[in-house]
Amino acid sequence: GDSVTQMEGPVTLSEEAFLTINCTYTATGYPSLFWYVQYPGEGLQLLLKATKADDKGSNKGFEATYRKETTSFHLEKGSVQVSDSAVYFCALSDRVGANAGNMLTFGGGTRLMVKP
Amino acid sequence: EAQVTQNPRYLITVTGKKLTVTCSQNMNHEYMSWYRQDPGLGLRQIYYSMNVEVTDKGDVPEGYKVSRKEKRNFPLILESPSPNQTSLYFCASSLIRGNSYEQYFGPGTRLTVT
Repeated sequence: GDSVTQMEGPVTLSEEAFLTINCTYTATGYPSLFWYVQYPGEGLQLLLKATKADDKGSNKGFEATYRKETTSFHLEKGSVQVSDSAVYFCALSDRVGANAGNMLTFGGGTRLMVKP
Repeated sequence: EAQVTQNPRYLITVTGKKLTVTCSQNMNHEYMSWYRQDPGLGLRQIYYSMNVEVTDKGDVPEGYKVSRKEKRNFPLILESPSPNQTSLYFCASSLIRGNSYEQYFGPGTRLTVT
């Protein structure tokens, strides 16, 4: 079945540091890939997405590139802020095969803490 | 305002006492889903619904029931809650377009079963 693996956290950075959160996946066909963010006490919000190989999703200074050859979708930001402190989830959606209609498969989440 | 609402936000109950967590969306979405979030496990899907009167099991459906009698509502029912159902629950909905699924999440319901 489909699966998503994220680096374990927490990730602790100083403000303005460079961020990378690794995400790799296993899926049949050509899944769509997502990063969701969960701020404290809130539900998940879509941060960015990519629907085909080599697509780059971007939003709020965050970027991730769909790498089919390495089955990866790593999240990056050049300069993090305290307000970026949250839990980040990598996810995929696979419309083909037995999982059609089962929508999103999530990774375990990575907590990011940014210190001033 | 487009949103997914859940009630209650917090609930403490005892083993075996039936409960219902409500979920409602005002975006006319066909697809709705329930997830539970547990530390280190991410979100796991409990049940989902592709449209009214159409529901199906997700990855962890045991101990849960759902119904979809109206497009906007998708309640989660625990007939006989047990302590292993203590978790953070999220409802989500989406409007399927092409090959991309963006889901909109509710604020979550924190359930404790003693």
